[in-house]
Amino acid sequence: SAVISQKPSRDICQRGTSLTIQCQVDSQVTMMFWYRQQPGQSLTLIATANQGSEATYESGFVIDKFPISRPNLTFSTLTVSNMSPEDSSIYLCSAETREETQYFGPGTRLLVL
Amino acid sequence: SQQGEEDPQALSIQEGENATMNCSYKTSINNLQWYRQNSGRGLVHLILIRSNEREKHSGRLRVTLDTSKKSSSLLITASRAADTASYFCATDAWWDDKIIFGKGTRLHILP
Repeated sequence: SAVISQKPSRDICQRGTSLTIQCQVDSQVTMMFWYRQQPGQSLTLIATANQGSEATYESGFVIDKFPISRPNLTFSTLTVSNMSPEDSSIYLCSAETREETQYFGPGTRLLVL
Repeated sequence: SQQGEEDPQALSIQEGENATMNCSYKTSINNLQWYRQNSGRGLVHLILIRSNEREKHSGRLRVTLDTSKKSSSLLITASRAADTASYFCATDAWWDDKIIFGKGTRLHILP
């Protein structure tokens, strides 16, 4: 299994600012991903975080808005840039183990005013 | 899209009864995973079932997979109040490690 931590756990931000969310895994994993979950909704995949190269974004998400880094096998960051109230959501990091099981972090609750 | 879709969207049952949730998907999969999410909490991984498996058990949980019908079911036996949560299925394809979530089933166990 894998234990995933995220920082911060929650934040309230002003419109136009940026927030960087950190994701740390306690063991080496093959893949890392970032999701968004809006209130009462299911999870939507934002991007796959690739180690040492640019992330792979899903339709509707772009690098300028959600820059992602993954400098090593156990750490990744997601930045939510130039925030607007529509970005208020829960952002979750996940990691896939060699057994192909995906584990999720506790999420970062973001409120943009 | 390989997105899973859970059925029903919401389910209320009496404590002690069995709860069955279904998940259908559209394209061939490599694995199907079930997750639980308590209100305001993170996702908890329940079971992974591979495309060559038909049934798996874990405690009070039983998952079946029918690849011919592109569907899976999650059975929770002898339900408890603590089982009240949203349950999601998520699928991945053999050519792609990313998993796509269904919309979830909100399960409410009545005392």
